[in-house]
Amino acid sequence: DAGVIQSPRHEVTEMGQEVTLRCKLISGHNSLFWYRQTMMRGLELLIYFNNNVPIDDSGMPEDRFSAKMPNASFSTLKIQPSEPRDSAVYFCASSLRDAGAIQYFGAGTRLSVL
Amino acid sequence: GENVEQHPSTLSVQEGDSAVIKCTYSDSASNYFPWYKQELGKRPQLIIDIRSNVGEKKDQRIAVTLNKTAKHFSLHITETQPEDSAVYFCAATSGTYKYIFGTGTRLKVLA
Repeated sequence: DAGVIQSPRHEVTEMGQEVTLRCKLISGHNSLFWYRQTMMRGLELLIYFNNNVPIDDSGMPEDRFSAKMPNASFSTLKIQPSEPRDSAVYFCASSLRDAGAIQYFGAGTRLSVL
Repeated sequence: GENVEQHPSTLSVQEGDSAVIKCTYSDSASNYFPWYKQELGKRPQLIIDIRSNVGEKKDQRIAVTLNKTAKHFSLHITETQPEDSAVYFCAATSGTYKYIFGTGTRLKVLA
């Protein structure tokens, strides 16, 4: 298995533009987590899904952020409009909930909003 | 709310010495405690974990101990090597499977 796959690996955009980050889960996994990592705030959970259903979105910073799971193996995190303070590394992680909750992280997307 | 405190934030040790990182959690329902290692520019990777029905677990040079009464757990790395240099994160979770991460410890192993 190739593991959790994120794209793009790097994204540079201008303030006000829409940004879409993508994540492909490990085959067979049914839980999906989106994290944001910055030096100041560390690793923050933004939202997580179980069986395609959002369970906890309390970490989503504001309405500019939205996440979806259109199917069991794929998720998107969208920021519209983007702001410089959104610059961070965004990770997704997947797990097989019934197997003991180990989360496997993707390689991350480094987002820079100018 | 749920919280995990991690100490120290930075740790420097000489190659060959031991390193200990400590975490304290607040939610008494927590039952699974993973440790992740994150090298510079890389993803966090699970290195060891422990469940609430176990007091200690070892895997070669790394070990984790859990004290449920005191609600703290620790990562021990023996015979440290330069490749152990990284940021280490502890986490705690209960039946919700939502991880609460510590703030990370930057470990530097000096050759």
